[in-house]
Amino acid sequence: AQTVTQSQPEMSVQEAETVTLSCTYDTSESNYYLFWYKQPPSRQMILVIRQEAYKQQNATENRFSVNFQKAAKSFSLKISDSQLGDTAMYFCAFTIQGAQKLVFGQGTRLTINP
Amino acid sequence: GAVVSQHPSWVICKSGTSVKIECRSLDFQATTMFWYRQFPKQSLMLMATSNEGSKATYEQGVEKDKFLINHASLTLSTLTVTSAHPEDSSFYICSAHRTGSSYEQYFGPGTRLTVT
Repeated sequence: AQTVTQSQPEMSVQEAETVTLSCTYDTSESNYYLFWYKQPPSRQMILVIRQEAYKQQNATENRFSVNFQKAAKSFSLKISDSQLGDTAMYFCAFTIQGAQKLVFGQGTRLTINP
Repeated sequence: GAVVSQHPSWVICKSGTSVKIECRSLDFQATTMFWYRQFPKQSLMLMATSNEGSKATYEQGVEKDKFLINHASLTLSTLTVTSAHPEDSSFYICSAHRTGSSYEQYFGPGTRLTVT
């Protein structure tokens, strides 16, 4: 069975700082996808970034980037120049190819302080 | 594009009654939809996988007779909480997997259920 672990329940940084959220996963599959989702107070799940396991290059989306270490089964999220609007719960998630369920980590509550 | 709606967004019902929650993919087809439950400050817990035209697959520990799922079309799945009890109060979220995609899955805004 696949598992996803986020070891940081809460993090807090000052606005404009850089912050890294950790995520590890366990799977025996070779083709899979990793995601970071943001859940603000509205509770709408928002996709932040996606990484395909077969791609060696780390995904980036503006201020958001990942450090994907396939051998170590690690998938961390870096937020640069953090903004107040980044305050939210962040979930790391995993799925195998096809219409398969997402497996979520426990979440990290990130607070950006002014 | 890729919008998923849920209705209602918030519902209060009395103990013993049933309540239906709808999940619709507005601009794409979704052969598979997923229903999650989320308690405050916790992660999403998958309840069941809903497939159009067939019976839902429930996760271990989820009572299928209590949480009835119907996926009657490629754009609509419903979750009915039967004989609701206060412990069923929670936030329910659906997601829809775009038919034919390897990974595209979109989330609805969630439904807050309060059972009094």
